[in-house]
Amino acid sequence: EIQVLESGGGLEQPGGSLRLSCAASGFTFSTSSMRWVRQAPGQGLEWLSGISGSDDRTYYADSVKGRFTISRDNSKNTVHLQMNSLRAEDTAVYYCAALPGSGSEYWGQGIVVTVSS
Amino acid sequence: QSILTQPPSVSAAPGQRVTISCSGSSSNIGNNYVSWYQQQLPGTAPKLLIYDNDKRSSGIPDRFSGSKSGTSATLGITGLQTGDEADYYCLTWDSSLSAGIFGGGTKLTVL
Repeated sequence: EIQVLESGGGLEQPGGSLRLSCAASGFTFSTSSMRWVRQAPGQGLEWLSGISGSDDRTYYADSVKGRFTISRDNSKNTVHLQMNSLRAEDTAVYYCAALPGSGSEYWGQGIVVTVSS
Repeated sequence: QSILTQPPSVSAAPGQRVTISCSGSSSNIGNNYVSWYQQQLPGTAPKLLIYDNDKRSSGIPDRFSGSKSGTSATLGITGLQTGDEADYYCLTWDSSLSAGIFGGGTKLTVL
């Protein structure tokens, strides 16, 4: 069974940090590209970050570049999103997606991050 | 404000056909593949409908189709059903930004 499960969300103060994790199973994780996407309340989808499966190259949206860091641990089939210098506008539902290739995509159910004092 | 432009809303009657456009530039749609997603409810995971411009994802009925021409892409849905009411998003890569970008989304209403 294919599973993608996000964890680590919650309430954080502005300027604080959170680390989201995404645990995957049921497919070949090590060669899969991984992606983080978010959706702020009442807004559309926003692509945030990706990490390739072949060479661990990382990519970021301008809105999070320099504040967020994506990484992966193939030994644990997990990808992380380290979020620093959080702002109120980072409040959103965060989704992790796995892209094994050939049109296959597996998304998590999303996790809520709230940045507020 | 996304750099990919989608109409905010479209509507059509059950059984009819609707198209949703996604307009970009040579740095994104013009030179990269486009995917289309359906999100039934905000806050729920999107579902991949179309990838590589025109390929249907596994399990997606052939009522859904995708095409691309130049710097624009189009999602077509025929035989509309009430269950197709959702938000639809295009996604592509932007080579200048080295990042993915979603369109602003289109709300489909089946009247």
